[in-house]
Amino acid sequence: GAVVSQHPSRVICKSGTSVKIECRSLDFQATTMFWYRQFPKKSLMLMATSNEGSKATYEQGVEKDKFLINHASLTLSTLTVTSAHPEDSSFYICSARDTRRGSGANVLTFGAGSRLTVL
Amino acid sequence: QKEVEQNSGPLSVPEGAIASLNCTYSDRVSQSFFWYRQYSGKSPELIMSIYSNGDKEDGRFTAQLNKASQYVSLLIRDSQPSDSATYLCAVNAKYSGGGADGLTFGKGTHLIIQP
Repeated sequence: GAVVSQHPSRVICKSGTSVKIECRSLDFQATTMFWYRQFPKKSLMLMATSNEGSKATYEQGVEKDKFLINHASLTLSTLTVTSAHPEDSSFYICSARDTRRGSGANVLTFGAGSRLTVL
Repeated sequence: QKEVEQNSGPLSVPEGAIASLNCTYSDRVSQSFFWYRQYSGKSPELIMSIYSNGDKEDGRFTAQLNKASQYVSLLIRDSQPSDSATYLCAVNAKYSGGGADGLTFGKGTHLIIQP
C-alpha cells in the first residue's frame, strides 16, 4: 500500500527559530502533496497544496512567507515554519494522493504527523 | 464555502452494538466522500470511500451516501473497544484527477465503545 513518511514526528524549538518538516512518498510518486494543521480537539485544516516543480497554492488566511513549502521532487515536499511563535504550536500533517488506489479518485494517504511545540 | 458538519460527541456505544456516525455537507457539487479514523495523537487513516448514492460495505463497516439530502453516514457493526477513536468525515468536490484539491474535513465524532 501507499506509504507517506513524515519527519520529524516531534520537535520543540525556541520562539523565533525556523523548523523544517519533511514529507516523503515512499513507494509512489506524488506530483501533489497537501499540508494540514490540526489544533487540539479541532479538525484538520488544509494549509496549502504543494505542487512539484512549481509554487505552492495556499489557503486563505495562511501566510506563505511564514509557511514555506518546497516540492523539489516527485517524492519530497518540505514545510518550513519560519520565525516560529508559540501560536504556531500544532500538529502538522502531510498527505499525498495515490492515484493507484482508484482511477481518478482523490484518495489521500497521510503521514504520521509532526507535533511542533514552540517555547 | 465548503462545510462539513459532524456531531462531536462523545458517542458511547456498548461493545457488540452498531455504532452510527453521521455527516452532512453543504457543497452540492461534492463528489467524493471519505471516512477517516484518527486515534489520539496520530494521523488519520482511511476507513471507507464512497462516490455513489446508496450503501457500500467493507467488513464491519458500511458507508451510506444520500446526495439529495447531502448526507453521508458510517455504520460500524459488532463494535469493538479498538474502534474507539475520532471519526472524520471528509469531502472533496472533484471526482476526477483533473483537480488537486485537498479534502475538507468535519470536526470529527469521538466514538467510545464500552466493554
